[in-house]
Amino acid sequence: QVRLVQSGADVKKPGSSVRVSCKASGGTFSNDGFSWVRQAPGQGLEWMGGIIPVFGIGNYAQKFQGRVSITADVSGSTVYMDLKDLASEDTAVYYCAREGGLSGTKGFDSWGRGTLVTVSS
Amino acid sequence: EIVLTQSPATLSLSPGDRVTLSCRASQSVSSSSLAWYQQRPGLAPRLLMYDTSSRATGVPARFSGTGSGTDFTLTITRLEPEDFAVYYCQHYDSSPYTFGQGTKLQIK
Repeated sequence: QVRLVQSGADVKKPGSSVRVSCKASGGTFSNDGFSWVRQAPGQGLEWMGGIIPVFGIGNYAQKFQGRVSITADVSGSTVYMDLKDLASEDTAVYYCAREGGLSGTKGFDSWGRGTLVTVSS
Repeated sequence: EIVLTQSPATLSLSPGDRVTLSCRASQSVSSSSLAWYQQRPGLAPRLLMYDTSSRATGVPARFSGTGSGTDFTLTITRLEPEDFAVYYCQHYDSSPYTFGQGTKLQIK
């Protein structure tokens, strides 16, 4: 099974940006698919977008278009999620999740432990 | 965007009970594009079912999934103490890969 290790918790000011990383091991990084899913406190899961590293192009939920950027570093087997113009509503746990990518999506079968991003003045 | 509606929001049950959770889509979803996840407090979600009815690696046989079109269900035949958690459905038919709002199973 693919192991996903995410960067640590972060505290940001409103209006700033955050980068969360997700390093993968144990899979075929370039051909897998990786998504970012966030969960606000006490709330449900929200898909933000994803990427297949071999293509290198992010696919984003409309809600986050223009504010989120998902990129991949193939040499380091790491996926990044950048979110700008942060507001208090962006306070959430951000999860990295893996799916089949070129092999076809069969659900998100591996998840990182999550990264808490707190937006506060 | 496909909207998934789960019902009920909360269920109070006892260990040993049988439970069926519902997930309804706002438009038809391919049966090869529907997943279920379990999330325990403080932990990341765990994939239970994919392609509507296929169990993920290591998932006990008491979990099963059925459905087609716009109506999908997850059944747990005999609840174990560790099954009390929140369950989410998700489609991956087309972007965005939306989730339902979740059903919480709590101990009666």
